[in-house]
Amino acid sequence: DSGVTQTPKHLITATGQRVTLRCSPRSGDLSVYWYQQSLDQGLQFLIQYYNGEERAKGNILERFSAQQFPDLHSELNLSSLELGDSALYFCASAGPTASSEQYFGPGTRLTVT
Amino acid sequence: EDQVTQSPEALRLQEGESSSLNCSYTVSGLRGLFWYRQDPGKGPEFLFTLYSAGEEKEKERLKATLTKKESFLHITAPKPEDSATYLCAVPTNTGNQFYFGTGTSLTVIP
Repeated sequence: DSGVTQTPKHLITATGQRVTLRCSPRSGDLSVYWYQQSLDQGLQFLIQYYNGEERAKGNILERFSAQQFPDLHSELNLSSLELGDSALYFCASAGPTASSEQYFGPGTRLTVT
Repeated sequence: EDQVTQSPEALRLQEGESSSLNCSYTVSGLRGLFWYRQDPGKGPEFLFTLYSAGEEKEKERLKATLTKKESFLHITAPKPEDSATYLCAVPTNTGNQFYFGTGTSLTVIP
């Protein structure tokens, strides 16, 4: 158990809909990273937050947005969903230094039908 | 451009047959190289961090080593439960993003 929690575990929704994925980091970690992993694809970095502020952006679509709240949990919002958005979405939390190891949550499996 | 490349893409071993996985990187100013294990449908599990050339770390049947251009994950006498995808990652110069390799899918046959 990494100490990172994600909800829900599974999500099935239709094209055009909007969903919210939630992540709680390990106790004491200020950084949260979001990744997308499609079938047979590698981990694609989406976005990073540090103590409530956006720190880095990767290949995140404009239809996707995220935020980190004062209690450090983070939410990833996916809107106008398309079939191609079906994937595993992971969040990871990390310690205070820029190159601290990341600890991953169990993921949310999103299926868009 | 900073890159992380892993080889081979897939590896099948008989139980007890030792081998090595490779991770080569081109990022300048290495700020650590990270190894993860990922089981199907699960989140990556942190294994090791290596910071400088010549460094080695061990955990059970796994040993990670680091040179100036690549890292190796040596698996000694693997067991079927070692079957997983092994990922390596390096942080960018700013440390705000990790580059992950596409992984090596290891299958250990009893």
